[in-house]
Amino acid sequence: ETGVTQTPRHLVMGMTNKKSLKCEQHLGHNAMYWYKQSAKKPLELMFVYSLEERVENNSVPSRFSPECPNSSHLFLHLHTLQPEDSALYLCASSQDLSSGTYEQYFGPGTRLTVT
Amino acid sequence: DQQVKQNSPSLSVQEGRISILNCDYTNSMFDYFLWYKKYPAEGPTFLISISSIKDKNEDGRFTVFLNKSAKHLSLHIVPSQPGDSAVYFCAASALGKDDKIIFGKGTRLHILP
Repeated sequence: ETGVTQTPRHLVMGMTNKKSLKCEQHLGHNAMYWYKQSAKKPLELMFVYSLEERVENNSVPSRFSPECPNSSHLFLHLHTLQPEDSALYLCASSQDLSSGTYEQYFGPGTRLTVT
Repeated sequence: DQQVKQNSPSLSVQEGRISILNCDYTNSMFDYFLWYKKYPAEGPTFLISISSIKDKNEDGRFTVFLNKSAKHLSLHIVPSQPGDSAVYFCAASALGKDDKIIFGKGTRLHILP
């Protein structure tokens, strides 16, 4: 499989559940990103990882916990979410951090609904 | 405060005509601008970009114009085709200064038959 893949594509969870979103990139990139896309809002950058180290946390609540075990995989662990966290969560990758300012490759996203 | 603004949430254009999508930005440090296209159930894909040293970049049916003094850019699609129906995100970055791309809210383009 090529490009950036995300699983699951759709997720419905209760506020007390714990779930994880998975992202995998097959591009040999060294930087990975989590974005949140809410209705009628710009894409919001949540986290940035470079060579498996977190380099950016954009004031994201602690109920979102990222994990990057290697340069190809990125997880977003979710627990005790709120209904307003319902959104499309997009993963992206770039060759490295500097090229990430002009070229990022996105996965298809996970549509999350918190009930 | 939004640094990249797309003030038109949606736009409808007749097939074969020109589609013009607009974008304004507030941060004068931005020196690289991008347009991404997004179909339903897919992630955004890169479409075209322009550096601040240029005022126009053309790629086939797609042309991006940059007016630095007005902090405005636009994407022209001509002729518009049914497959162009999608959400278009304007984005900006400051190369070498901040490792981020800042996105707008997007404009949904409908190409009418």
